[in-house]
Amino acid sequence: GAVVSQHPSRVICKSGTSVKIECRSLDFQATTMFWYRQFPKKSLMLMATSNEGSKATYEQGVEKDKFLINHASLTLSTLTVTSAHPEDSSFYICSADGSLGLQGQYFGPGTRLTVL
Amino acid sequence: GNSVTQMEGPVTLSEEAFLTINCTYTATGYPSLFWYVQYPGEGLQLLLKATKADDKGSNKGFEATYRKETTSFHLEKGSVQVSDSAVYFCALSRLLVGAQKLVFGQGTRLTINP
Repeated sequence: GAVVSQHPSRVICKSGTSVKIECRSLDFQATTMFWYRQFPKKSLMLMATSNEGSKATYEQGVEKDKFLINHASLTLSTLTVTSAHPEDSSFYICSADGSLGLQGQYFGPGTRLTVL
Repeated sequence: GNSVTQMEGPVTLSEEAFLTINCTYTATGYPSLFWYVQYPGEGLQLLLKATKADDKGSNKGFEATYRKETTSFHLEKGSVQVSDSAVYFCALSRLLVGAQKLVFGQGTRLTINP
């Protein structure tokens, strides 16, 4: 149980275009989802916290107009990278909290974004 | 602020060797501590956790003890297997109403050779 999927797993796009990444909790409802960014050989960096039905809370230094997050339902959150640039190329990972508190978050497999 | 520091990888061991991956943290208050594992091509999975000082988390032969005096949460396993090859992340949580926010270390890649 507690499976989180991400789509697509890999995407290549041209500079200036927008890319949408979906994160779904498949067998549980997630009131809170998190979006992380992972650079090569670096840690996961929390970008934003997404709560169903309300605006996302962004971490310091993350541009909310560039990384649009929509948590439209209890099983789906989307991250849209707008006007992508090569420096946005990274591995984006989502996680979902099934209101299980200290049981931890359940992570998706990640999406590799490459901006040409 | 809150931060987690892990030993640099990669770590390469032979099967049945003893494993230690060091993890130290800086935090205000009393965080919970976690080890996550990421197998190739998969998402992070919770390996074990400890919620207060002197707690020992254990799972699949791995153990880690929450040491408040040394602010450490080192991961150990007595005899590793090839299937333990993965990236291991140490993390602490900071409380967010209704959910836990995680702060991760940089990850340690472990390779076990037969």
